[in-house]
This record gives sequence, structure tokens and C-alpha cells, in this order.
Amino acid sequence: DTEVTQTPKHLVMGMTNKKSLKCEQHMGHRAMYWYKQKAKKPPELMFVYSYEKLSINESVPSRFSPECPNSSLLNLHLHALQPEDSALYLCASRRTAGDREPYEQYFGPGTRLTVT
Amino acid sequence: AQTVTQSQPEMSVQEAETVTLSCTYDTSESNYYLFWYKQPPSRQMILVIRQEAYKQQNATENRFSVNFQKAAKSFSLKISDSQLGDTAMYFCAFSNAGGTSYGKLTFGQGTILTVHP
Repeated sequence: DTEVTQTPKHLVMGMTNKKSLKCEQHMGHRAMYWYKQKAKKPPELMFVYSYEKLSINESVPSRFSPECPNSSLLNLHLHALQPEDSALYLCASRRTAGDREPYEQYFGPGTRLTVT
Repeated sequence: AQTVTQSQPEMSVQEAETVTLSCTYDTSESNYYLFWYKQPPSRQMILVIRQEAYKQQNATENRFSVNFQKAAKSFSLKISDSQLGDTAMYFCAFSNAGGTSYGKLTFGQGTILTVHP
């Protein structure tokens, strides 16, 4: 199983709402990632979790709050977002150092978020 | 810091023909990985091909092959016998091999490839 799933597929939220994005993988990967992608642009890294610990935060505003409850699940909690936060949010996972190669990231289909 | 440059914002090719997408990168690291990812319109990003920097042999995956020139820091993707399903945005990406990088990917700006019937 080389699948990363993300829910919901689409989300429309107001600027005062609180919502969460969910990402799940069952490949035994211990590194998980959140990206933000605008149309016709490359993904921008937001957060990296390694062994369920936040390892990289790319100076993301606090209105985005990541959580890794276990090795298979990654959440992104959203609160008081701005219209410019509208984008495709991608989750990815990868084997960690020490595992056998290769080291590519597997991406989920994304959640298309619209902030009104 | 690493940088990845894709100098071709858009390309087009006729079905069944061959096309080459360019990618150059800059790094001071000696051990790293290079990837080409494909993202069809409104669809999932998938890995096309990977190359480990320590391997001299160019990677191939069916109709996809790379020309990896480590000294020149060049990593081009050749698509042979192009198919309509190859229409997508293609991203070149770099990742350090070291554990402290946590596999962080640096992406190029992407090349939109359109395959015409």
C-alpha cells in the first residue's frame, strides 16, 4: 500500500471558523509533511514531523497548528484564516534515515481550501 | 541553501514524439537525491523518477529517463513516445541525503508540458 489519504477533498470556511485537515498513511513512514500549494506554483513546505515530533516549522503563522497523534496520522488545525490562505494543502510521507532507500516522498491528493 | 531552476515554464510536444525537460541545481553537498514529480491538472503529485547522486548510471523508468550530469549540476528528464496522459506540470526536486534535513524537498518552479494529439 503506497497510499497517502487526505480528508476532506474540498473545504470552504469563513475567517472565523475552526476546521481541521486530516492525513493518513499506513506505509510505516515515520516522516510526514504539510505543504501549501498555490495554482501553477511548486509546493511550499510548512511543517515536517519526524517520529511524531515537530522537526521543521517554516515560520508558518500560528493560525495553522499541526498535530501528529501517532505515526500514521497527521492533522492540520486551522483557525482565523485569511483569504490568502486559500490553496491546495498537500500531505506527504517518507521513510526516514536508516531505512532502506529510496527516499522519495509520497503525496496525498490534497485538500483544496477556500477561505471566504 | 540549495536552489533548483527549471528554465522552461511551458513546453509542448506531439504525441509519440520525444521531449526533454531541463533542470539545474546548486548545492555544496556531495550526497543527495534528485527527483522528477508529475502533477496532472487537479490531480495528485506522483513520482516519475529518482536519481541518487552517488550513482553514475542514469535512472530509467519505462519511457522516462534522466541525463544526470553531476559536475554540471544538471538533471534533465527525457520522455520518449509521449502520450496524452503525460500532459501535466513537472517539478524537478532536490533533497539532501543527511538525516538532519528530514528529507526536505527543494522544488523548481515547474514546467507545464502539453502533449498534442
